[in-house]
Amino acid sequence: DTGVSQDPRHKITKRGQNVTFRCDPISEHNRLYWYRQTLGQGPEFLTYFQNEAQLEKSRLLSDRFSAERPKGSFSTLEIQRTEQGDSAMYLCASSSDRYEQYFGPGTRLTVT
Amino acid sequence: GQNIDQPTEMTATEGAIVQINCTYQTSGFNGLFWYQQHAGEAPTFLSYNVLDGLEEKGRFSSFLSRSKGYSYLLLKELQMKDSASYLCAVLRGDSNYQLIWGAGTKLIIKP
Repeated sequence: DTGVSQDPRHKITKRGQNVTFRCDPISEHNRLYWYRQTLGQGPEFLTYFQNEAQLEKSRLLSDRFSAERPKGSFSTLEIQRTEQGDSAMYLCASSSDRYEQYFGPGTRLTVT
Repeated sequence: GQNIDQPTEMTATEGAIVQINCTYQTSGFNGLFWYQQHAGEAPTFLSYNVLDGLEEKGRFSSFLSRSKGYSYLLLKELQMKDSASYLCAVLRGDSNYQLIWGAGTKLIIKP
């Protein structure tokens, strides 16, 4: 297994457009996490899936953000009506029943 | 509230030893992680401590004192490739998955 993968690696979009990111976790991992990270800060929790169930969504996440993990494998994160404040690195991580989370390379979003 | 504190930046010399401290105040505790993050890359797992004491893994060691809400990451025989940010994260006591992250310590290694 090659680890967690994310696509695209970079995305530039205009304010008001919708964007969708994909994450493919390590195949045997049942837990999947989305984070957002800005320069000089630690990752900020967005949402968590156990298999296909979305068990928690951060209160910091507005209604413009939605995530899915339809078959308990890959996941998508959609941002509707993007704003300049959404510019950040979006990180996906996965884990098994052990606590260590393994991160993908991230998707860097720039909203112009 | 939940709070994790780390120094913003540290500088050390190649071949030397450096200790990066982390203090935390969280609602419960299920373990503490250290991650390394090179600029523009994703964090990579270094260590996990849930019991008091020192865990050694090659050139890296991590220490935990739960009573003091304190941990440190010790890096020995520093190499230029160790220049990175080091993130401390605590697993919340009421969760078995949600990590509370510090802002990270940027470590600069000089020759």
